[in-house]
Amino acid sequence: DAEITQSPRHKITETGRQVTLACHQTWNHNNMFWYRQDLGHGLRLIHYSYGVQDTNKGEVSDGYSVSRSNTEDLPLTLESAASSQTSVYFCASSLGQGSTEAFFGQGTRLTVV
Amino acid sequence: GENVEQHPSTLSVQEGDSAVIKCTYSDSASNYFPWYKQELGKRPQLIIDIRSNVGEKKDQRIAVTLNKTAKHFSLHITETQPEDSAVYFCAASKKAAGNKLTFGGGTRVLVKP
Repeated sequence: DAEITQSPRHKITETGRQVTLACHQTWNHNNMFWYRQDLGHGLRLIHYSYGVQDTNKGEVSDGYSVSRSNTEDLPLTLESAASSQTSVYFCASSLGQGSTEAFFGQGTRLTVV
Repeated sequence: GENVEQHPSTLSVQEGDSAVIKCTYSDSASNYFPWYKQELGKRPQLIIDIRSNVGEKKDQRIAVTLNKTAKHFSLHITETQPEDSAVYFCAASKKAAGNKLTFGGGTRVLVKP
């Protein structure tokens, strides 16, 4: 079955380290998104992509980057992890081309110590 | 950009009663309004959505209403059951912005047996 998967599910890292969170979908969706979820803030958009080689900043993009070299993957990189980036990260994808339902991955819980 | 506000942040109801969650949005061009349910430790999942050309949509015990003039939409859950206990998120998007979702802050619903 087609799906969207994130890895790792849990990660503990130290302040200042570079961290990459993986997101892989097998639906051949054009649109992919990264959100972070914090208590009291809901889901906030970090970065998004509408297709290969396309990336865009969301509302909370500082300290994060993404790249889209193929349709299936949108890895999220924290350049230099900070304690403020401790959060649960969700990747999502949608078909695009007028279809709007977004499907979410299982989430990655990241702790920066 | 789009801003979505959601109320209340927590809602406790007796089993069998109704629950209502309200959201307002700021961008009059938004035309797609989904609702996601997130159970503890799980990913958000779409439960119902509505487009701007429709005023109301029902699916069994859940319904969503949209008032474009006032820029608000609501989720109604009737005959609540313990399995309805979860966090619910509203969101808004527009096709012109590539359908990226802006989420409300979430409502934690507790259904008491």
